[in-house]
Amino acid sequence: GENVEQHPSTLSVQEGDSAVIKCTYSDSASNYFPWYKQELGKRPQLIIDIRSNVGEKKDQRIAVTLNKTAKHFSLHITETQPEDSAVYFCAATDQTGANNLFFGTGTRLTVIP
Amino acid sequence: GAGVSQSPSNKVTEKGKDVELRCDPISGHTALYWYRQSLGQGLEFLIYFQGNSAPDKSGLPSDRFSAERTGGSVSTLTIQRTQQEDSAVYLCASSRTVTDTQYFGPGTRLTVL
Repeated sequence: GENVEQHPSTLSVQEGDSAVIKCTYSDSASNYFPWYKQELGKRPQLIIDIRSNVGEKKDQRIAVTLNKTAKHFSLHITETQPEDSAVYFCAATDQTGANNLFFGTGTRLTVIP
Repeated sequence: GAGVSQSPSNKVTEKGKDVELRCDPISGHTALYWYRQSLGQGLEFLIYFQGNSAPDKSGLPSDRFSAERTGGSVSTLTIQRTQQEDSAVYLCASSRTVTDTQYFGPGTRLTVL
């Protein structure tokens, strides 16, 4: 099955700086890569996703890049704000055709005011 | 509209007892997924439904775990003879089709004493 690795496990940045979280996956057939943000005690919320037919996608301060050859994808958050503090999970699908998501172990991002 | 709901929100049980966890997906969503999140860990895929059928049961940790979905809507995840290692937050997600974005419920926190 799919194996997703995520780094770093914790990340602290000053408010206004950028944050980058990186993930690798093992299944070359994976074609969908969402990122979820989970605040303490709350459900995961989708913040951005990318499909394998594009290399980059942006949504305001958030961007995701995908390198299918190297099987890695990254989340970029610019101009970080304290409310960005949360745990971020990357995920990748397996090859069944359904979106069975296999998640990374998460990155705890702390934005220091 | 209403999001994914789960009940109960918290469940404390004794080792060896059976528990049932319920998920109400977003109306009209044909795909439904169950995940497990252990304390401080990522999300682990358990099972998904396309309509009432479960094409992929590979994520279920043992034969003590089972799930069903009736009427293409509500799903129940049953854990028989619970063990302490079953303690986790069980999250349900639904999507319009198997290739669409998954929306998560608030989870059921299961504690096995």
